[in-house]
Amino acid sequence: DAGVIQSPRHEVTEMGQEVTLRCKPISGHNSLFWYRQTMMRGLELLIYFNNNVPIDDSGMPEDRFSAKMPNASFSTLKIQPSEPRDSAVYFCASTLGVAGSNEQFFGPGTRLTVL
Amino acid sequence: SQQGEEDPQALSIQEGENATMNCSYKTSINNLQWYRQNSGRGLVHLILIRSNEREKHSGRLRVTLDTSKKSSSLLITASRAADTASYFCATDGTQGSRLTFGEGTQLTVNP
Repeated sequence: DAGVIQSPRHEVTEMGQEVTLRCKPISGHNSLFWYRQTMMRGLELLIYFNNNVPIDDSGMPEDRFSAKMPNASFSTLKIQPSEPRDSAVYFCASTLGVAGSNEQFFGPGTRLTVL
Repeated sequence: SQQGEEDPQALSIQEGENATMNCSYKTSINNLQWYRQNSGRGLVHLILIRSNEREKHSGRLRVTLDTSKKSSSLLITASRAADTASYFCATDGTQGSRLTFGEGTQLTVNP
């Protein structure tokens, strides 16, 4: 298995632009997570899907952030409009089962820089 | 706020020495997990210990859990330069709830 796949690996954009991050979870996993990591705030859970349904989106910072999971093999995290404070590494992770019960498999991350 | 808090924040040792990292948490848990993150990479799961377990081993890793003190420790024996990484503990609250990660311990193993 290729593991969790994220694209792009790096994204540099200007303030106000729309950014779309993509994730393909491990085949057969039914839970998917989007995290954001910064030096100041550490690793934060943004949103968690189970069986393609958003279960916990309390970590989504504001309305500029949205996430979708149209099917079991694909998810997107969109930021519109982007701001410099959104600069961070965004990780996608997946697992089999519910959120905290099993190990999570992380993708390599997308390093986002908003100028 | 983060549920887990690692201690120390940074640890520097010589190759061959043992490294011990601690994690404290605030609420009841079903399980506690440890992850490693190499610089610029995603997190990698190391070990999961359930609330009814007190100790678990995996290769050179030993994890203990004391639910009465709400704390866990990760011991890496005979450390290697390749063990240089950040180590995070993560806890769940109730089954099905999110994992909450601590701020991590940066371990440096000097050759």
